[in-house]
Amino acid sequence: SAVISQKPSRDICQRGTSLTIQCQVDSQVTMMFWYRQQPGQSLTLIATANQGSEATYESGFVIDKFPISRPNLTFSTLTVSNMSPEDSSIYLCSVRTSGGTDTQYFGPGTRLTVL
Amino acid sequence: AQKVTQAQTEISVVEKEDVTLDCVYETRDTTYYLFWYKQPPSGELVFLIRRNSFDEQNEISGRYSWNFQKSTSSFNFTITASQVVDSAVYFCALSEARSNTGKLIFGQGTTLQVKP
Repeated sequence: SAVISQKPSRDICQRGTSLTIQCQVDSQVTMMFWYRQQPGQSLTLIATANQGSEATYESGFVIDKFPISRPNLTFSTLTVSNMSPEDSSIYLCSVRTSGGTDTQYFGPGTRLTVL
Repeated sequence: AQKVTQAQTEISVVEKEDVTLDCVYETRDTTYYLFWYKQPPSGELVFLIRRNSFDEQNEISGRYSWNFQKSTSSFNFTITASQVVDSAVYFCALSEARSNTGKLIFGQGTTLQVKP
């Protein structure tokens, strides 16, 4: 498995501002993902963070709203831009480790509240 | 289309009871992976088990056991002698190997409350 950390763990933000969430892994990983979990809901994939190229976004998510960076094999950021109360969610980073085990491990999540 | 259904939204049991969480999946792929994750109130997602589509053997890990039946497209999870610490939301998830995107499709989750 991998040890994943996220910063911040939680935040309360004002409408119209942006927040950048960081995800750090203790080892190099092939794939990193960002998920959103709205209150009381399941997890939905936002995008796959690709190292050295643009992220691959799922239907309903766009780069202008959720810009993602992945400068190396152990780090990624997700920005939630121009926030509204509807963006209040838990944002989770996950990784798939090398070796093709197809198991994804998740970070502790970032609880975001937008007022 | 890929889909995971967890029909039980909430389950409440008394400590030491056995409880089974149901998971039914849909996929057109012949090679796929199924997962169970636990989400305690703190919010992190804890990996419990991964099963590939070619391995239908049931698995037991302590008080946890999983029953995978391809004939009914089900991957059910049983907790024996439940404890208060088992209270959490449990998610079943599916990943298709063919696309190799690593994308996980999650069910809606089952909230398990174990009362003392």
